[in-house]
Amino acid sequence: GAVVSQHPSWVICKSGTSVKIECRSLDFQATTMFWYRQFPKQSLMLMATSNEGSKATYEQGVEKDKFLINHASLTLSTLTVTSAHPEDSSFYICSAQVGETQYFGPGTRLLVL
Amino acid sequence: AQSVTQLDSHVSVSEGTPVLLRCNYSSSYSPSLFWYVQHPNKGLQLLLKYTSAATLVKGINGFEAEFKKSETSFHLTKPSAHMSDAAEYFCGGGSQGNLIFGKGTKLSVKP
Repeated sequence: GAVVSQHPSWVICKSGTSVKIECRSLDFQATTMFWYRQFPKQSLMLMATSNEGSKATYEQGVEKDKFLINHASLTLSTLTVTSAHPEDSSFYICSAQVGETQYFGPGTRLLVL
Repeated sequence: AQSVTQLDSHVSVSEGTPVLLRCNYSSSYSPSLFWYVQHPNKGLQLLLKYTSAATLVKGINGFEAEFKKSETSFHLTKPSAHMSDAAEYFCGGGSQGNLIFGKGTKLSVKP
């Protein structure tokens, strides 16, 4: 149980385009999901907390207009990187909360050329 | 303020020998504590969690961790390392689902 999927697993895009990443809880409902960013050989950095039916809460320094988060249902949250630039290239990981525990997706590798 | 510190950035052991990955936390209250493992280019997999029940927590793949309030520690151990244990390990702590992660410990296992 508590399986979280992400799609796509990797994506390459041109600078200036937008990329949407989906995070799904497959066998449970999650009112709260989280989006993290991980740079090579570093820990996870929380970007935002996504709450079903309401606006996401962004961490300090994360541009909400650049990283659009939508949590339209109890099993799906999406992260859209708008007007992506090479510095947005990273590993993006989502998680879904069950009680006190977060269950993580497999991550999405984004490369912006 | 709450913080999680992983004391070693890299630990190297031989196959079949014990594993010790250290984690200390700082919190004004009893937090929930977690250990996750991350294999290359993969997401995080939950190994075990402490949520104020038993102080010795058993997880998957033979790992266990002991919550020691007096030492503010939550070290991860395994009696005998396997080659497949080589990965990055993250200690995390928090409440109400909000997690703070340590910087991670890379575990290498030599044959």
